[in-house]
Amino acid sequence: GQQLNQSPQSMFIQEGEDVSMNCTSSSIFNTWLWYKQDPGEGPVLLIALYKAGELTSNGRLTAQFGITRKDSFLNISASIPSDVGIYFCAGQLVTGNQFYFGTGTSLTVIP
Amino acid sequence: EADIYQTPRYLVIGTGKKITLECSQTMGHDKMYWYQQDPGMELHLIHYSYGVNSTEKGDLSSESTVSRIRTEHFPLTLESARPSHTSQYLCASSDFQVNEKLFFGSGTQLSVL
Repeated sequence: GQQLNQSPQSMFIQEGEDVSMNCTSSSIFNTWLWYKQDPGEGPVLLIALYKAGELTSNGRLTAQFGITRKDSFLNISASIPSDVGIYFCAGQLVTGNQFYFGTGTSLTVIP
Repeated sequence: EADIYQTPRYLVIGTGKKITLECSQTMGHDKMYWYQQDPGMELHLIHYSYGVNSTEKGDLSSESTVSRIRTEHFPLTLESARPSHTSQYLCASSDFQVNEKLFFGSGTQLSVL
């Protein structure tokens, strides 16, 4: 399967700080999805991206589809305690139908 | 908001038992998936389906089997559960469109003793 590398693996930040994370691959993708997962729950879709260079926001979250089509970025502004969780990227290859998932970024927000 | 349901949420069972994990969606989606996930780790695709009577194996080898007799229903079966099957199993669905989105159920946490 495809390898999607997410970084950082974990983050510990103060409430109110901004957060940045990214997802990279050696392959070209035509779709990037970003998810948040709480413990014991299924992932919840945050943002979907379909074109290189696309920048999409969902409240305090902003994600970008990298222009090389091999990476994607997620930013969270003014973090709050309920942002705690694991964030996953998922990519769909140009030539395929499956979605491949990144290794996840665990976010802890300190009040 | 996704309408995809998994039951049971939690299952503790002894070695050798046969189990079926249920997954249903009310969105009329053609594509459905089963992922396996260990705590805090990435999701691995074990089965998927493009529609009724279509089933394929994913990248992660699994001893489980699936069936797709109805569009809305995609159950996963383990004929003889083992401790190595202990994991979270996540069901997902998507519509077969250009701008595809993948929606997940709440998962089934399986523990095999």
